[in-house]
Amino acid sequence: GAVVSQHPSWVICKSGTSVKIECRSLDFQATTMFWYRQFPKQSLMLMATSNEGSKATYEQGVEKDKFLINHASLTLSTLTVTSAHPEDSSFYICSARSVPGQGSEQYFGPGTRLTVT
Amino acid sequence: AQSVAQPEDQVNVAEGNPLTVKCTYSVSGNPYLFWYVQYPNRGLQFLLKYITGDNLVKGSYGFEAEFNKSQTSFHLKKPSALVSDSALYFCAVRVKYSSASKIIFGSGTRLSIRP
Repeated sequence: GAVVSQHPSWVICKSGTSVKIECRSLDFQATTMFWYRQFPKQSLMLMATSNEGSKATYEQGVEKDKFLINHASLTLSTLTVTSAHPEDSSFYICSARSVPGQGSEQYFGPGTRLTVT
Repeated sequence: AQSVAQPEDQVNVAEGNPLTVKCTYSVSGNPYLFWYVQYPNRGLQFLLKYITGDNLVKGSYGFEAEFNKSQTSFHLKKPSALVSDSALYFCAVRVKYSSASKIIFGSGTRLSIRP
């Protein structure tokens, strides 16, 4: 099956710094990528949807200036958490879909655990 | 609003017994429904999906789910539970918006299988 990777798998950063998380589709071209965050013992909440070459669409309540998403190629999307604070500590999971629309599969990465101290 | 609900935070089952994890949905149009499993500090693993066709869907690791349109349910089942089935299970639905779609998740159900 299709594989989605994330890097790093975990990161610790100091409050006020920025951290970038990469999401790659390894054996398919991802026209659409999704970013989710998951707090401990909670569900996955969709943060934003990005299509290659265009601006991301953010879900209500998600700060676009704080969570910068770039989807510059068909195999790579990045999420940058700017000026991170301890409340941004979470498990971030990306997902990629190969073909636009309803019928294509959506594959999930292994997640990145961010801890802000 | 389109959504999916998992009414149970936790399900406890003895090994070898059948298990059911409940899910109900609220969507407009025909639902695309999914079940995923998550092990500690790991991403999601796809178990099965329903798009159309047979109401009983078979998936990975011996799991199956039954789509019930009249009850708007998509319960996950397994005839005989294993200790290794202990994990967090998410029901999900694909919803349409504009010309695209996205997957939204239920709150999750923690399944605990005791030896």
